[in-house]
Amino acid sequence: SQQGEEDPQALSIQEGENATMNCSYKTSINNLQWYRQNSGRGLVHLILIRSNEREKHSGRLRVTLDTSKKSSSLLITASRAADTASYFCATDAWTGANSKLTFGKGITLSVRP
Amino acid sequence: DAGITQSPRHKVTETGTPVTLRCHQTENHRYMYWYRQDPGHGLRLIHYSYGVKDTDKGEVSDGYSVSRSKTEDFLLTLESATSSQTSVYFCAIKGRDQPQHFGDGTRLSIL
Repeated sequence: SQQGEEDPQALSIQEGENATMNCSYKTSINNLQWYRQNSGRGLVHLILIRSNEREKHSGRLRVTLDTSKKSSSLLITASRAADTASYFCATDAWTGANSKLTFGKGITLSVRP
Repeated sequence: DAGITQSPRHKVTETGTPVTLRCHQTENHRYMYWYRQDPGHGLRLIHYSYGVKDTDKGEVSDGYSVSRSKTEDFLLTLESATSSQTSVYFCAIKGRDQPQHFGDGTRLSIL
């Protein structure tokens, strides 16, 4: 069963605008990760936020985590046409030796030039 | 992608035939994973491995088996392919304290 649920399912914005994507999950986690997938390619890791962190930045990416609401958001600032892709959140509930991710269904982002 | 290759990249086969997909890594990572990606479902974990000869089931393991006889190779086998197994299959590798790194996928069509 899906742990993460992204919202919205699809997002279309103009180049230069900010894109905000949300993810909700159901059970306790160790960390939450965001991945990007370009058409016909594998997933590429963007950013990881641990359960004891509230906000993290990486370049034009800002991710927040609210464990009380079991939700996360990914903000892409000053979007570019090259940001057009599908974005997935993934939760890691690793409690022992083995790490497993549970992915959401993804958000399709279109950035219009 | 550097460090991980999947083969074949595309395959068309018939229902009832056996199919084996290969994932090969050059990173010497301990963890390897097989996922399938279907419209409306995102990525779902089929099987994973945490070492040579150490494997475990994921969320959608029925109809699939895996083997890992050496660190660099993780094989996914469909013993008797069915049309419901038509999908894009992704392999991922993971090192200690690192995120998962994905291959570019195998597009499998079962007619």
